[in-house]
Amino acid sequence: GNSVTQMEGPVTLSEEAFLTINCTYTATGYPSLFWYVQYPGEGLQLLLKATKADDKGSNKGFEATYRKETTSFHLEKGSVQVSDSAVYFCALSHINFNKFYFGSGTKLNVKP
Amino acid sequence: GAGVSQTPSNKVTEKGKYVELRCDPISGHTALYWYRQSLGQGPEFLIYFQGTGAADDSGLPNDRFFAVRPEGSVSTLKIQRTERGDSAVYLCASSASGTSVYNEQFFGPGTRLTVL
Repeated sequence: GNSVTQMEGPVTLSEEAFLTINCTYTATGYPSLFWYVQYPGEGLQLLLKATKADDKGSNKGFEATYRKETTSFHLEKGSVQVSDSAVYFCALSHINFNKFYFGSGTKLNVKP
Repeated sequence: GAGVSQTPSNKVTEKGKYVELRCDPISGHTALYWYRQSLGQGPEFLIYFQGTGAADDSGLPNDRFFAVRPEGSVSTLKIQRTERGDSAVYLCASSASGTSVYNEQFFGPGTRLTVL
């Protein structure tokens, strides 16, 4: 089957700290992988994606590399800001399929 | 332009009642999706529409749940004989085309349903 496992939160960091949020997946075939972000009071927004092994998705200083050998898609950012405080969701889907499988989300709190 | 909107933002109902949740997708988007997000969990797929027809309803938990999209734009999720376990945030998303996950899904803010 298809599933996504994320590290539990909340994760609390000071501004300018390095961020890693772990994500591993189980999937049939070769899925595409995504990170979505949900800011307080807003809907889910696509942060970045990678569609094949070894691809690196990046956006707003965040990066994640699709690692097939470890079935992982860890989210990283070198220097977090208070404005990055949000809930982050890892997700997978298959090309030509239309449903996403989401992890349970990781809440990030960044303190000034 | 306007994003995906959902109404109401909050709905409180009593066990056994019927509820309708509405989704207005982004204008011109042919694909529409419903997800359910329980507390502390990620969104769980319910149903996907391509145009007016339900292309995949495999996520609907039972026959108390039903969704329509009669004119290919607005969609309504209907829940009959609500149960306390139906309490969750119901999310709607739309995309320009549903034929590939390369087409980004844009999510609405959700409707928080509470069944007392």
